[in-house]
Amino acid sequence: NAGVTQTPKFRVLKTGQSMTLLCAQDMNHEYMYWYRQDPGMGLRLIHYSVGEGTTAKGEVPDGYNVSRLKKQNFLLGLESAAPSQTSVYFCASTHGLAGGPLMNEQFFGPGTRLTVL
Amino acid sequence: QQQVKQSPQSLIVQKGGIPIINCAYENTAFDYFPWYQQFPGKGPALLIAIRPDVSEKKEGRFTISFNKSAKQFSLHIMDSQPGDSATYFCAASIFGAGGTSYGKLTFGQGTILTVHP
Repeated sequence: NAGVTQTPKFRVLKTGQSMTLLCAQDMNHEYMYWYRQDPGMGLRLIHYSVGEGTTAKGEVPDGYNVSRLKKQNFLLGLESAAPSQTSVYFCASTHGLAGGPLMNEQFFGPGTRLTVL
Repeated sequence: QQQVKQSPQSLIVQKGGIPIINCAYENTAFDYFPWYQQFPGKGPALLIAIRPDVSEKKEGRFTISFNKSAKQFSLHIMDSQPGDSATYFCAASIFGAGGTSYGKLTFGQGTILTVHP
């Protein structure tokens, strides 16, 4: 049971390049989330998904797109990278509301450190 | 707009001390308050969580104190150890009727805790 995995771990891009970050979970979770972590800003929600085929915008969605074609995978795309997108990106997943709020622990992946030059 | 404000940004204590991290929230609809612990190079992991129907929750050496009227909650770490050195994030979420918040968490800015031997 690997939990939540993220690929790649590190990446350096040039301004204007595109890339896709992959998140995979093997816990059969319904909900998945993408966050970015910046110093002094905590974690901010980019996009989220409440089930296969669904996506929704979070707090800071501009410049990012997502897709959830399979329940276990959640992809985050940067179409034209900008230096402001230099950050550490975390994916998380949770069961969903069936178990009530105290059952909705979010499980995080190890993160992807992205630098945009 | 930061809906959850966390302080201090950093905290240094000696082994055995009792670090206290404080959070204040604005949205009275929040009804689930977790704390996450993050070690360097890792993703955050749930440490302890509380609902607003109780004023205190204790798990091992970690205690959450909750003041609903003041819209504040805090984390206390008893008998702190060097292994507790990490970044701590408070968070808040709305679970309420209908579950339309989909487990989305609003995080505080984070506190870097260092426990000296």
